[in-house]
Amino acid sequence: DAGVTQSPTHLIKTRGQQVTLRCSPKSGHDTVSWYQQALGQGPQFIFQYYEEEERQRGNFPDRFSGHQFPNYSSELNVNALLLGDSALYLCASSSLAGNTDTQYFGPGTRLTVL
Amino acid sequence: QQQVKQSPQSLIVQKGGISIINCAYENTAFDYFPWYQQFPGKGPALLIAIRPDVSEKKEGRFTISFNKSAKQFSLHIMDSQPGDSATYFCAASRTGGSRLTFGEGTQLTVNP
Repeated sequence: DAGVTQSPTHLIKTRGQQVTLRCSPKSGHDTVSWYQQALGQGPQFIFQYYEEEERQRGNFPDRFSGHQFPNYSSELNVNALLLGDSALYLCASSSLAGNTDTQYFGPGTRLTVL
Repeated sequence: QQQVKQSPQSLIVQKGGISIINCAYENTAFDYFPWYQQFPGKGPALLIAIRPDVSEKKEGRFTISFNKSAKQFSLHIMDSQPGDSATYFCAASRTGGSRLTFGEGTQLTVNP
């Protein structure tokens, strides 16, 4: 049973560029949440997608947007990159239809903005 | 009201000792409290979780103690091993697959 997968593993961008990160949830899961983890800190919630709709959103600017596809996979897009966007971006999957609260995390994408 | 406070920031324990990490929350609507373990360069892995209807939950060497009136919960790692050296995060959320609010993390080092 494949767990949560994310791509790419690492990414280097320059200020002002745009980036797209991808996530495939654990088999049987229908909900994807995205978190940003700065070095030495706990993950911060960005947003959550269920049934291809943004269900919840954290305190992140509109430069951060996302999408969920019919197969439950998801993308995180960040526009006009800032140096402060450098972080580990984590995707977590869960099953809302299964009425469980457990979120399983992927390995993350390390984004470096120069 | 959404914060989760975690302490200590770092912890050094000898092999075989007990590691104790504490968390406190403010939002009384939280009713799901997981602990995650994270190794460098990896994503957080769920260790154990508890709900407020029980005061303690044990899985192997890991135990969560929960004090609803004090709005505090803690992770105890018995017989700590060098392989337990990692960063530990407490988290909290509301039932219904809601967002996780994480603590700041505790870097645990278990010396051989």
